[in-house]
Amino acid sequence: QVQLQESGPGLVKPSETLSLTCGVSGFSISSGFYWGWIRQPPGKGLEWIGSMYHGGTTYYNPSLKSRVTISIDTSKNQFSLKLSSVTAADTAVYYCARHWGASHAFEYWGQGTLVTVSS
Amino acid sequence: QSALTQSRSVSGSPGQSVTISCTGTSSDVGGYNYVSWYQQHPGKAPKLMIYEVSKRPSGVPDRFSGSKSGNMASLTISGLQAEDEADYYCCSYAGYYTFEVFGGGTKLTVL
Repeated sequence: QVQLQESGPGLVKPSETLSLTCGVSGFSISSGFYWGWIRQPPGKGLEWIGSMYHGGTTYYNPSLKSRVTISIDTSKNQFSLKLSSVTAADTAVYYCARHWGASHAFEYWGQGTLVTVSS
Repeated sequence: QSALTQSRSVSGSPGQSVTISCTGTSSDVGGYNYVSWYQQHPGKAPKLMIYEVSKRPSGVPDRFSGSKSGNMASLTISGLQAEDEADYYCCSYAGYYTFEVFGGGTKLTVL
């Protein structure tokens, strides 16, 4: 069974870089699929941040593209998110997910991790 | 503001059917058969319920069905049960540059 687990700091200062990692078990990232990040501000809806194919191709939300970097570490079977120059508006629960590119659906999700941007 | 428009809330009694709509444009919902639906209970991660407009992943009850007409997609839940009370989000592929867009979500209340 595919399982994903987010990890990283729960508190980030304004203007700094948010960094999260998603560990994957039950499936080898190098075997295929896209791997993505979605966030949800408190009390609000879902927002797709970006996705990366195991081969290196990346797609980012145009509204976040200038600040986002997604990378994959196949040796550790994990992928990461970096979001730079954060503000309070970036406070959200961040989810990682396996992104089924052929169907454009997010099949498996991590439990989510709350990241608060505050000084 | 979300790219896809969903009604804020919908309600129904146990055993009834409800339909949740998701309106986009010809650049997303209307342009591709890649609409997916997610169920989210409070404090939990979203769960994939429908993909490619009308396909159900293994394990999702057949009470859940999806359809699309033009720029509007719909999720219908028949035989409503108490455990169906949750937030529902639609998502559509929106082309090479935008890729994926979500709706704002609909809160389903089972009366």
